Amino acid sequence: DAKTTQPPSMDCAEGRAANLPCNHSTISGNEYVYWYRQIHSQGPQYIIHGLKNNETNEMASLIITEDRKSSTLILPHATLRDTAVYYCIVITPQGGKLIFGQGTELSVKP
Amino acid sequence: EPEVTQTPSHQVTQMGQEVILRCVPISNHLYFYWYRQILGQKVEFLVSFYNNEISEKSEIFDDQFSVERPDGSNFTLKIRSTKLEDSAMYFCASTPRAFAVSNYGYTFGSGTRLTVV
Repeated sequence: DAKTTQPPSMDCAEGRAANLPCNHSTISGNEYVYWYRQIHSQGPQYIIHGLKNNETNEMASLIITEDRKSSTLILPHATLRDTAVYYCIVITPQGGKLIFGQGTELSVKP
Repeated sequence: EPEVTQTPSHQVTQMGQEVILRCVPISNHLYFYWYRQILGQKVEFLVSFYNNEISEKSEIFDDQFSVERPDGSNFTLKIRSTKLEDSAMYFCASTPRAFAVSNYGYTFGSGTRLTVV
C-alpha cells in the first residue's frame, strides 16, 4: 500500500471549516483514499473514501487532486466533538489490512 | 447503525495468564480483523480472518496469539501467556465484502483495554 504523509497536528476554531491535508504521491491507479478518525482511544471511525472524484457525505467532503497525489478532508463546520486523530489511508480494492500512520491530531477550540 | 461489539471493555490479568477477548461482528460481514494500540502509539494490524481461516497476519501475531470464530457469531482473540508488553487496546473490526465496495469501509468496535500486571 502507498505511504501517506500528514501534518502531526492542527488547530481549528469551532464553527470554522477544518481542512486536513494528506500527501500520497506514490498512490497507484487502483488505490482508494480512505479517511478515518479516532476520538480519544475509541475505535477508529470511518469518515469517507474516494478514488478520483470529489466526494461528500453527511460528515465531510473529500477533495482529491487531479493527479491523485494529494487530498484534503474538509469538515465544513467543526465542533468540539470533532477533536480527534484523523488518518488518511490508501488501499487497493482487494482490501486487506488498513495500515495506520500517526495521523493528524485535530484540536477544535472554542 | 449496526455495531461491532467487544467484551469485556477492560480486562486486568496477571502475567503468564491466558486471556480471551471477544467480538461480535456485524451479522452480514464476512471479513474480520484484530488490531491493537499500545498507549500513545499508532493502531497496528494483527490479523485478518475470512472463510474460517487466517488470511493475513503481522509479525506481532506470533504463536502466543490465536483467533477463532467458534459459533458463527463470535470472533475471539486468545493470548496464551500474556506478557507485560501485551498491555494495549485491542480493536476488532469487520467488513461486508471486498473492501472498497463497501460504503462504510471497516466498522471497528470500541475496544478492550487489556492491562497485564
